[in-house]
Amino acid sequence: NAGVTQTPKFQVLKTGQSMTLQCAQDMNHNSMYWYRQDPGMGLRLIYYSASEGTTDKGEVPNGYNVSRLNKREFSLRLESAAPSQTSVYFCASSGGGGGEDQYFGPGTRLLVL
Amino acid sequence: LAKTTQPISMDSYEGQEVNITCSHNNIATNDYITWYQQFPSQGPRFIIQGYKTKVTNEVASLFIPADRKSSTLSLPRVSLSDTAVYYCLVGSSGAGSYQLTFGKGTKLSVIP
Repeated sequence: NAGVTQTPKFQVLKTGQSMTLQCAQDMNHNSMYWYRQDPGMGLRLIYYSASEGTTDKGEVPNGYNVSRLNKREFSLRLESAAPSQTSVYFCASSGGGGGEDQYFGPGTRLLVL
Repeated sequence: LAKTTQPISMDSYEGQEVNITCSHNNIATNDYITWYQQFPSQGPRFIIQGYKTKVTNEVASLFIPADRKSSTLSLPRVSLSDTAVYYCLVGSSGAGSYQLTFGKGTKLSVIP
C-alpha cells in the first residue's frame, strides 16, 4: 500500500516550457487535491477534484490545468511555466469532503529558470 | 474563505507540554479544524481533527472553545522528534464545493 505517489520528485524547466505532474493514490479515495508550498506562505490549494469526473478551482488556479484521469490519478499541468511557479507541489487525497483528513504525497520540487 | 493565523515559531524544552493556537475568526458553521505535522522534505501528516469542545488521540489533544474562533493543539511531553512545522486547516465541503484554508504554519523547535 503506497498511499499517495508523485512523479517526478524534482524538475528544472525553462520559462515557457510545459510539463505535467503526476499523482496517484491507492486508498480508493474519492477526493484529490493539488497544493503549492512556498516559503512563509503555507500550503495553498490550486485545484481539487471532489470525485471522479469533476474538478474545481482552488485559491491559486491561474497558470495551471488539471485532469482527473480516473479515480486513482490526478494530474497537474503547467502549459507555459513561469519563474513564479517555482515551488514545491503536493498532491493529496481524502475519503470524502473538504473537512476530512488528507493524505499527502512526498512532493515535487519544481524550479523554473 | 476562513482566514487562519498561527505563531510563526515556538521553542520548547524536551518533556514540556506545548500548546499551539490557531485563530480563525470567520470560521463557517460547517468548517472542521484539522492539524497537520510536516518534517523537512516530506508531505504534511494528519495529527488530529475536531469540530467543537475537546478531542484527544494517542499523540495530541485539540481544544476548541464554544465560539470556535480559535483552536489549540496540545502536544504532551514533547521530544526532539516533535521538531517540525505544524499547520492548522479550516475546511468544509458542501454541494461538492470545498473551502480549505491552511495557516502559514508554526515551526516548533524542541531543545534538549
